[in-house]
Amino acid sequence: DQQVKQNSPSLSVQEGRISILNCDYTNSMFDYFLWYKKYPAEGPTFLISISSIKDKNEDGRFTVFLNKSAKHLSLHIVPSQPGDSAVYFCAASSAGRSARQLTFGSGTQLTVLP
Amino acid sequence: DVKVTQSSRYLVKRTGEKVFLECVQDMDHENMFWYRQDPGLGLRLIYFSYDVKMKEKGDIPEGYSVSREKKERFSLILESASTNQTSMYLCASSARRVSYEQYFGPGTRLTVT
Repeated sequence: DQQVKQNSPSLSVQEGRISILNCDYTNSMFDYFLWYKKYPAEGPTFLISISSIKDKNEDGRFTVFLNKSAKHLSLHIVPSQPGDSAVYFCAASSAGRSARQLTFGSGTQLTVLP
Repeated sequence: DVKVTQSSRYLVKRTGEKVFLECVQDMDHENMFWYRQDPGLGLRLIYFSYDVKMKEKGDIPEGYSVSREKKERFSLILESASTNQTSMYLCASSARRVSYEQYFGPGTRLTVT
């Protein structure tokens, strides 16, 4: 049973427009949410995070929104650039007995068209 | 900058072979993780370690084992490789028990024939 779901495997957006990537989760114990970006043949790199006590976090062109009642978060990229083309993974964290673990979604391939 | 390195970028092995994947981090992180990434399934946790010689199973530990003899090094072992273990393997580390941000290596693309 997937606890973190990204229902859109792919998204295409025109350069300069807004990209919106969505993520849903089921586990109420998650207290941090992260977005990672992954280029082909590279490991994922951390992009932005949000604590469950907040509903918005902004970092330059990237904003993450959290709707706890709906168990939904989204990543907005404005404006989108061709270099943003990558796979984006949503991840959720809960405190473990020994270490914090991340549960990942299946990823969304974003393609920004010039 | 945190650096996580993995011993091989590409590896081809035969069914039944014993396979070692090595990961090294240079930031004195306490926690290290092994994931596999498969299309449509995202990253799934195989094993993690929160201290030297300490390990815990992740979501898909079957067919794998791990070793952490030194703080900076975490090895994933496929005891008898099978074709369904063909995948991208990613190692990650995080600083402390309460740290949620993980830093990833570049990955090892393993093909088992």
